[in-house]
Amino acid sequence: EVQLVQSEAEVKKPGESLKISCKGSENSFTNYWIGWVRQMPGRGLEWMGIIYPAVSDIKYSPSFQGHVTISADKSTSTAYLQWSSLRASDTAVYYCARQGPFLHSYFDLWGRGTLVTVSS
Amino acid sequence: ELVLTQSPGTLSLSPGERATLSCRASQIFASAYLAWYQQKPGQAPRLLIYGASSRATGIPDRFSGSGSGTDFTLTISRLEPEDFAVYYCQQYGSLPRTFGQGTKVEIK
Repeated sequence: EVQLVQSEAEVKKPGESLKISCKGSENSFTNYWIGWVRQMPGRGLEWMGIIYPAVSDIKYSPSFQGHVTISADKSTSTAYLQWSSLRASDTAVYYCARQGPFLHSYFDLWGRGTLVTVSS
Repeated sequence: ELVLTQSPGTLSLSPGERATLSCRASQIFASAYLAWYQQKPGQAPRLLIYGASSRATGIPDRFSGSGSGTDFTLTISRLEPEDFAVYYCQQYGSLPRTFGQGTKVEIK
């Protein structure tokens, strides 16, 4: 079954760093864009950015650029979302999702989400 | 940034009724680039509609999408118990991609 497997929930303190992951099967990763979507508690979906792992082409939302880093390792079919200094407002569920091979495409496959809790 | 506004915020209906959800864009964009997703509590979103009107694989035909320009609609012809959820529209024609704020369809 084609799926995206996300890393487990994390509890961190403000100012700490974090890197969460999203692993796909080879045929769900190669030649696809992988995106990240934030959902804060009780809130809607927010598009953070996408990466094309084959060439590491990355598009960020201005709302998130500079605060998070999106990366990928095509050799392990894994995408990453990382923070160098977390804030309490980063508390949310983060979903990775697969987008078709074209820049203009929708998310057709989603991971189950990683809950990140940032609290002192 | 292209803003999507969904209405109503909450729709209270009974099983078997018809649900009509609206998604309005702040500017005209290619309707080929509008998707709808369904999200149930504690679950990841699921793709329902892409290209404004094409059903994703496995989506029942009671779900239909329509619209163009700045106004788009998701219609659920007869609500089943499993359809009570939150629905989001998303545009993927311009960067950054954006989602609407969601419409909750709840049991009346």
